[in-house]
Amino acid sequence: EAGVVQSPRYKIIEKKQPVAFWCNPISGHNTLYWYLQNLGQGPELLIRYENEEAVDDSQLPKDRFSAERLKGVDSTLKIQPAELGDSAVYLCASSFGGNTEAFFGQGTRLTVV
Amino acid sequence: GENVEQHPSTLSVQEGDSAVIKCTYSDSASNYFPWYKQELGKRPQLIIDIRSNVGEKKDQRIAVTLNKTAKHFSLHITETQPEDSAVYFCAASTGANSKLTFGKGITLSVRP
Repeated sequence: EAGVVQSPRYKIIEKKQPVAFWCNPISGHNTLYWYLQNLGQGPELLIRYENEEAVDDSQLPKDRFSAERLKGVDSTLKIQPAELGDSAVYLCASSFGGNTEAFFGQGTRLTVV
Repeated sequence: GENVEQHPSTLSVQEGDSAVIKCTYSDSASNYFPWYKQELGKRPQLIIDIRSNVGEKKDQRIAVTLNKTAKHFSLHITETQPEDSAVYFCAASTGANSKLTFGKGITLSVRP
């Protein structure tokens, strides 16, 4: 069975441009997370979904970030417009719930120039 | 909200020695405590986890201990090997309907 799949793996864009990341979680996992990981830091939660509902988006900068999880399966995270400080690795993870193992995707490394 | 802290930020041990990494958490309602290992350029992967109804859990060379009174839990790696070199993250969660909050990570280096 495939794990959590993310695309693209790498993305380089100019500041002020839009960018989107895609995540396909493990089949059957109702919980989906988007995390931001800066170099040398731990993952920081951006948004958490339970099925198609965003249940925790308090850390999502809503002026420029948006996310959706249509049909409660795969998810997209968008940044518009991107800023230099958005350069980081964006990790998607999925699980059967908050207190079970979260499986991570390979991440998307975003570089904003 | 939950705050998870790891100490120290880096740890270097000689191959064959033991390594202990400690985490503290702030929310006494937390009941799930996983440890993740992240090798350079790779995704974080679970290596062991513990729930609040258990004080210790072992899996071969790896063990985790939990002290709910002091609100800290520790990762113990015995007979360290060079392939144990990685960044280790602890995390905490208060339940099925809550998020996983991660610490900042500790870089473990095992000297051959």
